[in-house]
Amino acid sequence: AQKITQTQPGMFVQEKEAVTLDCTYDTSDPSYGLFWYKQPSSGEMIFLIYQGSYDQQNATEGRYSLNFQKARKSANLVISASQLGDSAMYFCAMREVRSNDYKLSFGAGTTVTVRA
Amino acid sequence: DSGVTQTPKHLITATGQRVTLRCSPRSGDLSVYWYQQSLDQGLQFLIQYYNGEERAKGNILERFSAQQFPDLHSELNLSSLELGDSALYFCASSPGLAGEGNEQFFGPGTRLTVL
Repeated sequence: AQKITQTQPGMFVQEKEAVTLDCTYDTSDPSYGLFWYKQPSSGEMIFLIYQGSYDQQNATEGRYSLNFQKARKSANLVISASQLGDSAMYFCAMREVRSNDYKLSFGAGTTVTVRA
Repeated sequence: DSGVTQTPKHLITATGQRVTLRCSPRSGDLSVYWYQQSLDQGLQFLIQYYNGEERAKGNILERFSAQQFPDLHSELNLSSLELGDSALYFCASSPGLAGEGNEQFFGPGTRLTVL
């Protein structure tokens, strides 16, 4: 079964506007971590933000924030004030602590294109 | 720059050949992970090493093997290569195993093309 689902293959956003990237996950592990990574066209994977399953507050890192809805098993990434450099593929990933190996399971990704 | 280095950056080879991909983790990181990114399979976990010991295996083919050396660098060996092995191979590292917020830092990847 798919552990991470990203239903938006591609999105367009106007520069300076906010964009929300959807991510839902599936786990029975009560303890897990959720991550977002950015992959620009150059190919490297850049860590953006982390949310722990027991965190009470939504994570924020600069222009990135995570809308964590535990009961719905969703962890949407919000990018505020989009910039041209935000054009990239974005991956949601999960690590289940019970597995004790700390591997990441990734979604299929969402391509974001920022328009000037 | 994540601090994780991978060599080579690009590799072009023929079917049936064997290649070795190299990874140096961030200074102090004990865990090394290998991932494969292909168009049809997406990003998939292959194998993890922690302080020289194999820790977890994912969807890694029997033709593939890896090891982590005493200096903590790791190598991924791919043999009897097939066209479908063409992919971007990432190495990632993290400090250890404890704690949830243990983000993995990815290297720039090795792009393997099998002709």
